[in-house]
Amino acid sequence: EDQVTQSPEALRLQEGESSSLNCSYTVSGLRGLFWYRQDPGKGPEFLFTLYSAGEEKEKERLKATLTKKESFLHITAPKPEDSATYLCAVQPGGGSYIPTFGRGTSLIVHP
Amino acid sequence: GAGVSQSPSNKVTEKGKDVELRCDPISGHTALYWYRQSLGQGLEFLIYFQGNSAPDKSGLPSDRFSAERTGGSVSTLTIQRTQQEDSAVYLCASSLDPPGRTYNSPLHFGNGTRLTVT
Repeated sequence: EDQVTQSPEALRLQEGESSSLNCSYTVSGLRGLFWYRQDPGKGPEFLFTLYSAGEEKEKERLKATLTKKESFLHITAPKPEDSATYLCAVQPGGGSYIPTFGRGTSLIVHP
Repeated sequence: GAGVSQSPSNKVTEKGKDVELRCDPISGHTALYWYRQSLGQGLEFLIYFQGNSAPDKSGLPSDRFSAERTGGSVSTLTIQRTQQEDSAVYLCASSLDPPGRTYNSPLHFGNGTRLTVT
């Protein structure tokens, strides 16, 4: 069974204080790992897809990295508008097209 | 362009009543997913439609839940004889085709229907 574990569950940062969110996974043949951002009362919004170990993707203050067992979402010099829940999902290989999601990390950035 | 649209945005119903939740996917997207999100829980997969293929219903929690997709576009999730444990946010997502098949097929989510069963 595919499993995705995100840590920490919640993270409070001061504006400008860089940190990382972790996504550990077990999956039968990773086809892709996805990061989403979810604001309160909204649906998840796609951020990145990573396909193979060693791959990195960047967008503004966010950088996602991938190893064979986990992914990190690095947040550099965060701003209050980066406050949201960040979700990680894995897409298994084989014939399944059902992404499995983690429970997310709730990030609050204080000004 | 228009994103995934879900209606209603909020639904309060009495225990035992039936409810219908609607999802309008992005035009041209062949894959459609329903997920359920409860407070403090991750997204729980419910059902998946891909083109004209038989849907993957493996995530439906009981036979009270059913879904259909008409004309490869609009989808309706129906919950019969609602129970209090059905209270959650029901999210619909569509993608151009199954994620992983190409490099440009993330899931695009609607803002969900918040269902409260009293």
